[in-house]
Amino acid sequence: LAKTTQPISMDSYEGQEVNITCSHNNIATNDYITWYQQFPSQGPRFIIQGYKTKVTNEVASLFIPADRKSSTLSLPRVSLSDTAVYYCLVVDNYGQNFVFGPGTRLSVLP
Amino acid sequence: EAGVAQSPRYKIIEKRQSVAFWCNPISGHATLYWYQQILGQGPKLLIQFQNNGVVDDSQLPKDRFSAERLKGVDSTLKIQPAKLEDSAVYLCASSKRQGAYNEQFFGPGTRLTVL
Repeated sequence: LAKTTQPISMDSYEGQEVNITCSHNNIATNDYITWYQQFPSQGPRFIIQGYKTKVTNEVASLFIPADRKSSTLSLPRVSLSDTAVYYCLVVDNYGQNFVFGPGTRLSVLP
Repeated sequence: EAGVAQSPRYKIIEKRQSVAFWCNPISGHATLYWYQQILGQGPKLLIQFQNNGVVDDSQLPKDRFSAERLKGVDSTLKIQPAKLEDSAVYLCASSKRQGAYNEQFFGPGTRLTVL
């Protein structure tokens, strides 16, 4: 079970790019890195997943260095509606042995 | 496509009472998860089903919690008897199949208050 560490909170302003880094030093060869977003009073929502290098979708980018011991979620030009908790998970290739940590509480200010 | 449905949305009970939560996953999704989320914490996986079989229930307090997924579709989670520390949001999620590259879709949750 790969433990993850991420900042408890971050502040940003509208229009800025936000980068949230997650450490997962004991990630295994077959593990994938997954990020979820959670708004108050809602269940988490999948943002992005990757194995190595860079993954980009319409919402975010995920950067994973060669050693895979960390990953960075990048949110381009955030808005007030991006205020949420962001969770980094490491999931094995069976879809098991994952854990949601406390996440990073992102506050976007006007 | 309809999302994951859960009911009830809110429940208030007294300690030592019983309570049950219901979840209807997205049609065709083989994998179903139940989570407990205490205020200010991340979701904690309680049990994972693949169709109607249990894949992982290592964090389910089996002395008071039980879950079933008859016919591999709907699922119920029961607590009997409830304790004060069970106050939390209970989230249900589903995914198309088991595996890493497989996003989970979450329901709105049931907020349980134990008095």
